[in-house]
Amino acid sequence: SQQGEEDPQALSIQEGENATMNCSYKTSINNLQWYRQNSGRGLVHLILIRSNEREKHSGRLRVTLDTSKKSSSLLITASRAADTASYFCATWSGNTGKLIFGQGTTLQVKP
Amino acid sequence: KAGVTQTPRYLIKTRGQQVTLSCSPISGHRSVSWYQQTPGQGLQFLFEYFSETQRNKGNFPGRFSGRQFSNSRSEMNVSTLELGDSALYLCASRPRQGAFSEKLFFGSGTQLSVL
Repeated sequence: SQQGEEDPQALSIQEGENATMNCSYKTSINNLQWYRQNSGRGLVHLILIRSNEREKHSGRLRVTLDTSKKSSSLLITASRAADTASYFCATWSGNTGKLIFGQGTTLQVKP
Repeated sequence: KAGVTQTPRYLIKTRGQQVTLSCSPISGHRSVSWYQQTPGQGLQFLFEYFSETQRNKGNFPGRFSGRQFSNSRSEMNVSTLELGDSALYLCASRPRQGAFSEKLFFGSGTQLSVL
C-alpha cells in the first residue's frame, strides 16, 4: 500500500491564489520529498525536507514537516497557470531502494 | 548534462506479446530504477539496478524483468502482456545506490497501451 496519503485529491484555484496540499505517511522517515508531474510526463523533483527540519523554502514553494503527526504540507504561493500539474509526496522505504509515493494532488490553476 | 532518456515514448501492443523499454540515465548516474504508474494503483516501484545487478525488487510478477549494462543504460522487459499492463513506465536515475538523502531524476516515460 502507499506510504503517503494526500489531501485534497484535486484542487482548483485562480491565478494569484495560494495552493496548499497535505501529505501523511505511516512510518519513520529520514526525509520527505515533493515531486511535480505534468500530464503524462515524468516527475520533476521540487524540494526535499529532512526529518530534523520543520520548514523549508524554495522560491514560491514552502514545505513543512511535522514528524510527530507524520504529515507534511506543500504551499505554492501566488500560483500561475503553469503550476497546473499533479503533485506527489514521497518517502524512502527503509533500505529497499524504493521511493514510495502518495496518490497525488491534481492542481488546476485557472488564468 | 542530458537528462534521463526513455525510448520509445509510446507503444501499442496486443495481449500475449512482449515489450522492451529502454532507459539511458544521466551521465555518471549508476543507479537506475523503474516505476509503473496507473490511474488505479498510482506509482509503484518495479526494481532498481546498480552496477549491472538488480538490487531491489517490487511486488510484480516474474513477467516483469530488467537488466542494466556496463554503461548504466537499462532495459525493462514485460512478457506475455496483459491488458492490466497498460501504464506509464517511468525510469529514474541517481548517482549511487543507498544514499537516501538523494532525489530521483525521472525520464518522460513510455506510455504502453495493451489492446
